[in-house]
Amino acid sequence: GAVVSQHPSRVICKSGTSVKIECRSLDFQATTMFWYRQFPKQSLMLMATSNEGSKATYEQGVEKDKFLINHASLTLSTLTVTSAHPEDSSFYICSARDRGDNEQFFGPGTRLTVL
Amino acid sequence: AQKITQTQPGMFVQEKEAVTLDCTYDTSDQSYGLFWYKQPSSGEMIFLIYQGSYDEQNATEGRYSLNFQKARKSANLVISASQLGDSAMYFCAMRDQTYNQGGKLIFGQGTELSVKP
Repeated sequence: GAVVSQHPSRVICKSGTSVKIECRSLDFQATTMFWYRQFPKQSLMLMATSNEGSKATYEQGVEKDKFLINHASLTLSTLTVTSAHPEDSSFYICSARDRGDNEQFFGPGTRLTVL
Repeated sequence: AQKITQTQPGMFVQEKEAVTLDCTYDTSDQSYGLFWYKQPSSGEMIFLIYQGSYDEQNATEGRYSLNFQKARKSANLVISASQLGDSAMYFCAMRDQTYNQGGKLIFGQGTELSVKP
């Protein structure tokens, strides 16, 4: 099956710093990638949808200047949490799909802790 | 607006028994897709099963089957012969077929399944 990787799997940073999370599709071309955030014991909340070569579409309530998304190639999307604060601590999961595919393939997630 | 509802925050089942996890949905679209995912404590999302709105037969994948009742707008997941490794969070999701939404998934609140030995 299709594989999506995320890096890093876990990151701890100080308040005020920026953190970049990478999402890669390893064996297929991902025309669309999605970024989700999940708090403990809660559901996945979609943050944004990104299509290769175009600007990301953010969900209502998600600050685009704080959560920068870049989908520069068909195999890589990055999420940068700028000026992170403790309330940004969460589990961030990306997923990817190819055009016409029913299924989204999820990365293993990144656990961000902001001190 | 599309919505997915899972009304069972937690469920218990005895090992080797079958269990049904409920999921109802709301959409005005004629064409849509329904998914079930399993999320163990490690956090990874594991795809279990898919049902298209035009599929006449219920989807099955090994021990997983989807009880699709279109008129009732329900898509319950049935796990047969539960195993200890089935203990996890289970999410029902619907794909948004709206043009230019990229096929994003809308998730339910999740059900935490615990399998007792």
